[in-house]
Amino acid sequence: SQELEQSPQSLIVQEGKNLTINCTSSKTLYGLYWYKQKYGEGLIFLMMLQKGGEEKSHEKITAKLDEKKQQSSLHITASQPSHAGTYLCGADFSWGKLQFGAGTQVVVTP
Amino acid sequence: NAGVTQTPKFQVLKTGQSMTLQCAQDMNHEYMSWYRQDPGMGLRLIHYSVGAGITDQGEVPNGYNVSRSTTEDFPLRLLSAAPSQTSVYFCATNGQPMNTEAFFGQGTRLTVV
Repeated sequence: SQELEQSPQSLIVQEGKNLTINCTSSKTLYGLYWYKQKYGEGLIFLMMLQKGGEEKSHEKITAKLDEKKQQSSLHITASQPSHAGTYLCGADFSWGKLQFGAGTQVVVTP
Repeated sequence: NAGVTQTPKFQVLKTGQSMTLQCAQDMNHEYMSWYRQDPGMGLRLIHYSVGAGITDQGEVPNGYNVSRSTTEDFPLRLLSAAPSQTSVYFCATNGQPMNTEAFFGQGTRLTVV
């Protein structure tokens, strides 16, 4: 979706290092989703954010939604090989219309 | 509990052929969507439905038709397949948009030759 911009498009991180992915919209986001996808597989739900300033964590992954509800970040601490894959942010721009960014491909090297 | 079931998993079509990708859900969700995924482009919304009898276009609807006669099923039709429709197709459902996660099928890999 051109309404959701993800950055970077791809990144290579050394195992044990941290990484951050950003998702930005020009419109207010009413529901912001983060999904992960392994190559050739389906989508795995990570987290959903709804309120401005909200922050959620699961294991070593933390997602935040800014106060204006137009930008979200996904942060992985001490990356592991299991964190490799494509991360997608998605948002509801109107009721039932869920759209996604282009994705960020993450490669974790030894 | 099967969740979201897509069939077939793989399909090869010749240009000009027609086919229907099936999507069925057993979660009693009102909201269903179809996406296509191409390298470097994430998921692009083709069509979506907010309930039985109601459908609407997404970002890339051309070349695709949908209908929603029941809550459970949301088939995607390609009337005359083109090589540009080679892609991986995902169906998704959601019980409460903006409040709960969307559930995805495992995808259909379609090749048009």
